[in-house]
Amino acid sequence: GQQVMQIPQYQHVQEGEDFTTYCNSSTTLSNIQWYKQRPGGHPVFLIQLVKSGEVKKQKRLTFQFGEAKKNSSLHITATQTTDVGTYFCAPGRGQFYFGTGTSLTVIP
Amino acid sequence: DAGVTQSPTHLIKTRGQQVTLRCSPKSGHDTVSWYQQALGQGPQFIFQYYEEEERQRGNFPDRFSGHQFPNYSSELNVNALLLGDSALYLCASSLVDYANTGELFFGEGSRLTVL
Repeated sequence: GQQVMQIPQYQHVQEGEDFTTYCNSSTTLSNIQWYKQRPGGHPVFLIQLVKSGEVKKQKRLTFQFGEAKKNSSLHITATQTTDVGTYFCAPGRGQFYFGTGTSLTVIP
Repeated sequence: DAGVTQSPTHLIKTRGQQVTLRCSPKSGHDTVSWYQQALGQGPQFIFQYYEEEERQRGNFPDRFSGHQFPNYSSELNVNALLLGDSALYLCASSLVDYANTGELFFGEGSRLTVL
């Protein structure tokens, strides 16, 4: 199956700072999805990226898919305490596999 | 519109026992996937069911088996439980429609503790 690594594994930021998590694959991906899991909760779909170089925005969240379709990133501008959680990327169609996740802690 | 529902929410078993977890997919969805999530880890894919057949399987032993019923609901069975099977078991439903994003809708999960 398609395996991806996410970095960093953990990130602590002060509220208002920016945050970025990266998802890297050794193989070309057909598409990639991002999910957020709040502490004690279940993963919730955020977005899907399909095209090379694609950039999508959702309010303070910006998602990018690399030109070679081997990496992706999620950037949060001016983090808020509601952004706390673990962010997972999930490559391919069917989303059989999830990345290792980045756990975000926001310090008020 | 009911989302994905799972039962039970919590359960405790002892080593060697068997467990059955249940999942009802989101209305209109025909595909059910099961994941195991250990504490502090990402979801690990167990298998996926579509049209009552196992379509894909992750790297899990045969102790893990499943079933999908005609109404698309699904069961996950784990035999001969081990301590290492303690985890949150997540069910996710989706729609096999290539015009759709194929996003997964997760249930709240079943928290299994094996003593």
